[in-house]
Amino acid sequence: ETGVTQTPRHLVMGMTNKKSLKCEQHLGHNAMYWYKQSAKKPLELMFVYSLEERVENNSVPSRFSPECPNSSHLFLHLHTLQPEDSALYLCASSQDVGRGGTDTQYFGPGTRLTVL
Amino acid sequence: DAKTTQPPSMDCAEGRAANLPCNHSTISGNEYVYWYRQIHSQGPQYIIHGLKNNETNEMASLIITEDRKSSTLILPHATLRDTAVYYCIVRLLYNQGGKLIFGQGTELSVKP
Repeated sequence: ETGVTQTPRHLVMGMTNKKSLKCEQHLGHNAMYWYKQSAKKPLELMFVYSLEERVENNSVPSRFSPECPNSSHLFLHLHTLQPEDSALYLCASSQDVGRGGTDTQYFGPGTRLTVL
Repeated sequence: DAKTTQPPSMDCAEGRAANLPCNHSTISGNEYVYWYRQIHSQGPQYIIHGLKNNETNEMASLIITEDRKSSTLILPHATLRDTAVYYCIVRLLYNQGGKLIFGQGTELSVKP
């Protein structure tokens, strides 16, 4: 398999549930990202990991908890979410972070999350 | 990062060239122009990027004006599958934190 994959593709959860989104990249990249895209809004960067270390956390509520066990895998753990957290969650990867042309980001297909 | 301005929507006939404009009048010398597109409910797809010179790849061509204040993405022979929202993004050469700031983009509709 090539590129960036995300599972599950669709997820429906209640506000008291705990779930995790998974992202895997098969490109040999060192950096991975989580984005959120709400309806009719631009993509919002949530987290950035470089060589498994978090380098950016854009004021995301603590009910979203990222985990990067190695440079190929990225998780987003979800707990006690709100209905307004319903959105398309996108994962991306890049060769590096902060080197302009070499850090072109490649996106996965996204997980469509619905919080009831 | 510099701000970009794109028309909200455009139509193009199938088989014709689609020319998508982008204004970035406040761009600085160390900022790249990137183009992505997003087909409905899918992840954004990288298309092309450039700094000063025009660029071409298997998907598209990027024409950057000499003063770098605007650019045009050209899809030479648009197909129905090119219907998507196209985003023009300007970002620093050494952008720390990997920020890609997506605006509203241009919704391109390719019609038969």
